[in-house]
Amino acid sequence: EDKVVQSPLSLVVHEGDTVTLNCSYEVTNFRSLLWYKQEKKAPTFLFMLTSSGIEKKSGRLSSILDKKELSSILNITATQTGDSAIYLCAVERGGSNYKLTFGKGTLLTVNP
Amino acid sequence: DAMVIQNPRYQVTQFGKPVTLSCSQTLNHNVMYWYQQKSSQAPKLLFHYYDKDFNNEADTPDNFQSRRPNTSFCFLDIRSPGLGDTAMYLCATSRGAGPTYNEQFFGPGTRLTVL
Repeated sequence: EDKVVQSPLSLVVHEGDTVTLNCSYEVTNFRSLLWYKQEKKAPTFLFMLTSSGIEKKSGRLSSILDKKELSSILNITATQTGDSAIYLCAVERGGSNYKLTFGKGTLLTVNP
Repeated sequence: DAMVIQNPRYQVTQFGKPVTLSCSQTLNHNVMYWYQQKSSQAPKLLFHYYDKDFNNEADTPDNFQSRRPNTSFCFLDIRSPGLGDTAMYLCATSRGAGPTYNEQFFGPGTRLTVL
């Protein structure tokens, strides 16, 4: 059974801090890893990482995939209160017929 | 704007009373998914359609059924809701083809409460 573990489960920081969220996975025939941001509603897509694209960056957010360590990190620099959300990591197994397995998420709270 | 729409946003039902949740998309995506997300838990895939091909997860209770009458719409039917079915139900879509084939776009969710 595919497994996705995120850490920490929750994190409280002050505005301006830099945070690193972790995601480790056990999946047969790994194909891709996705990061989502979930506020008080549905998840919104952040990044997709694959063997051919192991590092992505968008503004203050960046993510790296380490296929050797079977993990990924999501970095947020100069955090803002609007970054407060649950960050979900999901992995896709090759031949999985378009399915994703999600982790439980990391709850990030950014205080002013 | 192209999007995924879910109705209703909030639903309260009684134990055992059937309920139907609706999802529609204007993205023209091939794949539609239904997830159940309970408090502080990961979204759990219930089933998905690739076009009209239905794929049920092995551990999805028989109480949960789905219909996809056309590309744009997908329904989740809960035949006899139990208290344990109280959750957020998320609908998602993906292209199913091309380099971003599995980037999933989520609707706002329906928060279901079973009393």
